[in-house]
Amino acid sequence: KNQVEQSPQSLIILEGKNCTLQCNYTVSPFSNLRWYKQDTGRGPVSLTIMTFSENTKSNGRYTATLDADTKQSSLHITASQLSDSASYICVVSLYNTDKLIFGTGTRLQVFP
Amino acid sequence: EAQVTQNPRYLITVTGKKLTVTCSQNMNHEYMSWYRQDPGLGLRQIYYSMNVEVTDKGDVPEGYKVSRKEKRNFPLILESPSPNQTSLYFCASSLLGQGGFTEAFFGQGTRLTVV
Repeated sequence: KNQVEQSPQSLIILEGKNCTLQCNYTVSPFSNLRWYKQDTGRGPVSLTIMTFSENTKSNGRYTATLDADTKQSSLHITASQLSDSASYICVVSLYNTDKLIFGTGTRLQVFP
Repeated sequence: EAQVTQNPRYLITVTGKKLTVTCSQNMNHEYMSWYRQDPGLGLRQIYYSMNVEVTDKGDVPEGYKVSRKEKRNFPLILESPSPNQTSLYFCASSLLGQGGFTEAFFGQGTRLTVV
């Protein structure tokens, strides 16, 4: 069964600290892995998208890694800001389709 | 500005009263889809469309209809809404490029409550 699992479910950190979110997937055939940021009640916004041949991609303070062998990805947030408070969703795309398999997300709260 | 626009943003309706949620994109994307998001669950696909006049069921299509008469518009129709369709709905669009589908752009969401 195609599945995407994220951990932790929720995370609280202090402003300025770093954090890492995890994503494990069992999706086949794999096309790409995406990380989205979703503010409460808003639509998801793309942070990164990686194919199987890419093992790291950055977008400002966000750095995603992908290990296609172990089917794991992580999203590292550096020097967190209050505006980073959101849900972060890991999404895997099936090969040659636009079928997206969504994780349930990690809810991050950044406190001053 | 490239965007996906949904309307309305919020809607409260009564059981059985037909409603339509509109979705429009200005990026000339072929692919459009509808999702619902419920607490504790990932986004689930309701219907999708590969191009004009081409639509197909997603994972949770029961109780919904769609149409794709124009490339930019993809309305979601609830013929007879029921309380279990209370949810947050998102429309998304993407482009089929050389390496496969590009990232999906999502609308701002429609929060529907059926009483």
